[in-house]
Amino acid sequence: GESVGLHLPTLSVQEGDNSIINCAYSNSASDYFIWYKQESGKGPQFIIDIRSNMDKRQGQRVTVLLNKTVKHLSLQIAATQPGDSAVYFCAENWSSGGYQKVTFGTGTKLQVIP
Amino acid sequence: KAGVTQTPRYLIKTRGQQVTLSCSPISGHRSVSWYQQTPGQGLQFLFEYFSETQRNKGNFPGRFSGRQFSNSRSEMNVSTLELGDSALYLCASSLNAGENSPLHFGNGTRLTVT
Repeated sequence: GESVGLHLPTLSVQEGDNSIINCAYSNSASDYFIWYKQESGKGPQFIIDIRSNMDKRQGQRVTVLLNKTVKHLSLQIAATQPGDSAVYFCAENWSSGGYQKVTFGTGTKLQVIP
Repeated sequence: KAGVTQTPRYLIKTRGQQVTLSCSPISGHRSVSWYQQTPGQGLQFLFEYFSETQRNKGNFPGRFSGRQFSNSRSEMNVSTLELGDSALYLCASSLNAGENSPLHFGNGTRLTVT
């Protein structure tokens, strides 16, 4: 079937190594950021989020770093496993007219080499 | 708790026909958003509904429409289908509109227009 990852930048990582996926966002008013993981045949799944009053947040094997000065977001995955192979999207959120608006990045395909 | 459910999973239609896709959000979630995903354009926002009212709309032609029912279930309709409408259509729910919270996606409906 058609793959969502067909025209995406690809990051290839050896199993056990750390992965870093980067994302540049565009709206300086964005105050909430989320990383999603999309496996083949499935919808995007929430991984981790961070609010603009923080610059780092850690989860299980994942860390998100936020640099508001240069509008950059990164996702670090420790000890990458084959199950981490997927497309990763960042999303920036901001409030407008009392409602949350969101824009997704283009995505990065992570390939884990066993 | 059951996740977001989208039906059908796959659909094949011919040009000129119309199609209706269905989405059941997570129980208690009142906001439902729809996205179109293609390899070339990524995740494109279609519209968002909250309490049966359309709150946001993306840059899609009027052939794309939607609605939300009192139980928060949502449908989207595409009339006069074109080949370019072939895509994965994703529905996402969240607790409330206007609050920073992650989207919870279904696994999508894969629409193929021939």
